[in-house]
Amino acid sequence: GDSVTQMEGPVTLSEEAFLTINCTYTATGYPSLFWYVQYPGEGLQLLLKATKADDKGSNKGFEATYRKETTSFHLEKGSVQVSDSAVYFCALTPAGGSGGGADGLTFGKGTHLIIQP
Amino acid sequence: KAGVTQTPRYLIKTRGQQVTLSCSPISGHRSVSWYQQTPGQGLQFLFEYFSETQRNKGNFPGRFSGRQFSNSRSEMNVSTLELGDSALYLCASSLTGLHSGNTIYFGEGSWLTVV
Repeated sequence: GDSVTQMEGPVTLSEEAFLTINCTYTATGYPSLFWYVQYPGEGLQLLLKATKADDKGSNKGFEATYRKETTSFHLEKGSVQVSDSAVYFCALTPAGGSGGGADGLTFGKGTHLIIQP
Repeated sequence: KAGVTQTPRYLIKTRGQQVTLSCSPISGHRSVSWYQQTPGQGLQFLFEYFSETQRNKGNFPGRFSGRQFSNSRSEMNVSTLELGDSALYLCASSLTGLHSGNTIYFGEGSWLTVV
C-alpha cells in the first residue's frame, strides 16, 4: 500500500535558520501531496499542496516541490520563526479520478520542529 | 465561511462505555472522513462517508462505526471502550472525497480519554 516517510525529529533550529524537512513517498501513479501543520492542542491545518509532478506548493514562506523522479516532497523555509514551532505532517491521497475514496489520507509520522529564539 | 466543527472537544469515559462524536463539515462539502491520532500509531484513517454512504474503511475493529446524515453532518461511535482508544479523533471534510486533487480540511478534534 501507499506510505509516507519523513524525519521524526525533534528538529531544533535557531530563529532565522534555513529549514528542510524531508518527505518521501511510495504510491502508484500520481498521488496528491500535502503538508499539514499541527500546533499544540489543535487539529491539523493545511499548509500547502501539490497535485502533479513539478508543481510547487507555497504558503507563509514555506515551499515544497513535487518530485516524481525521486518520489519526494521536501518542505523548506528560508528563515524560520519561533511561531513556526509545531509538528509537520507530510501526507498523500491516492491517484484516481473516479471520486471513490481509496485508503484515505496516508500520513507520515510527523516531524516535531522546535525553533529557539 | 465556517470550518469543520467537532463536538465535544474533550471527554472522559470509562472502560466498557460507548461514545459518540459529532462532526459538521464545511458548508457544501459532501465527504467526511475520520482519523485517530495517538502518540504510538500516529494518524490512522478510520472511514470516509459520502452522501450518507460509507465509501471506505480503514483497519479498525467493528467497535468503531459511523454514519452521515442528509445534511452531511457525521457521527462516529466507539462501543465497549478500551484504554487504547484514548486518542485525538479528527474529522475532515472535502468537496467530493479523498481522491487526487481534492483539498481535505480538518477540525480541531475531539480528545477522548478512557479510564
